[in-house]
Amino acid sequence: AQKVTQAQTEISVVEKEDVTLDCVYETRDTTYYLFWYKQPPSGELVFLIRRNSFDEQNEISGRYSWNFQKSTSSFNFTITASQVVDSAVYFCALSEAPSGGSYIPTFGRGTSLIVHP
Amino acid sequence: NAGVTQTPKFQVLKTGQSMTLQCAQDMNHNSMYWYRQDPGMGLRLIYYSASEGTTDKGEVPNGYNVSRLNKREFSLRLESAAPSQTSVYFCASSTRGQAIYGYTFGSGTRLTVV
Repeated sequence: AQKVTQAQTEISVVEKEDVTLDCVYETRDTTYYLFWYKQPPSGELVFLIRRNSFDEQNEISGRYSWNFQKSTSSFNFTITASQVVDSAVYFCALSEAPSGGSYIPTFGRGTSLIVHP
Repeated sequence: NAGVTQTPKFQVLKTGQSMTLQCAQDMNHNSMYWYRQDPGMGLRLIYYSASEGTTDKGEVPNGYNVSRLNKREFSLRLESAAPSQTSVYFCASSTRGQAIYGYTFGSGTRLTVV
């Protein structure tokens, strides 16, 4: 079963619009970690944020904000006033308790965000 | 600059040829990983090495082998390349206990098998 679901394959917005990228996860562990990564057109993968299962506080970093809700197993990512530079593929990932001592994240399939000028 | 270095950046192979993708990190990380990225499939783990001297299979290990040469280096070998192995390959590293803080990724190797 897929552990991380990013149902939105592609989202297209016009600059300055707000956009939310959805991430739904599945786990039986009580301790786990959630991540968001950004992959711009240049191809590298950039770590954006980590959240552990015991911290449900939302986080804001500039135009970026994250909404973690354990009740719905979701970790959604909102970009406020989107810009063309936000165009990228965004991946959500889940790390559960270590198997054999190593946390191994499972990645979602990604959401491609296209921001038009 | 500190980080994860992958070589080569691009490679074209003929079916049946072999090659090794190299990965090196200079952050003194314990754990290293190889992922492949295919359109619409996200990142899938091929192999990982939790620490020097150990390697384990990930989700899609068939057709690949790995070697953790030392703490810095983790190579991925394709013994007999197949068109299904056309993909972008990423190496990543993390401090074992700090995988929870996220990976550092290399810039990727774009491999085409014809």
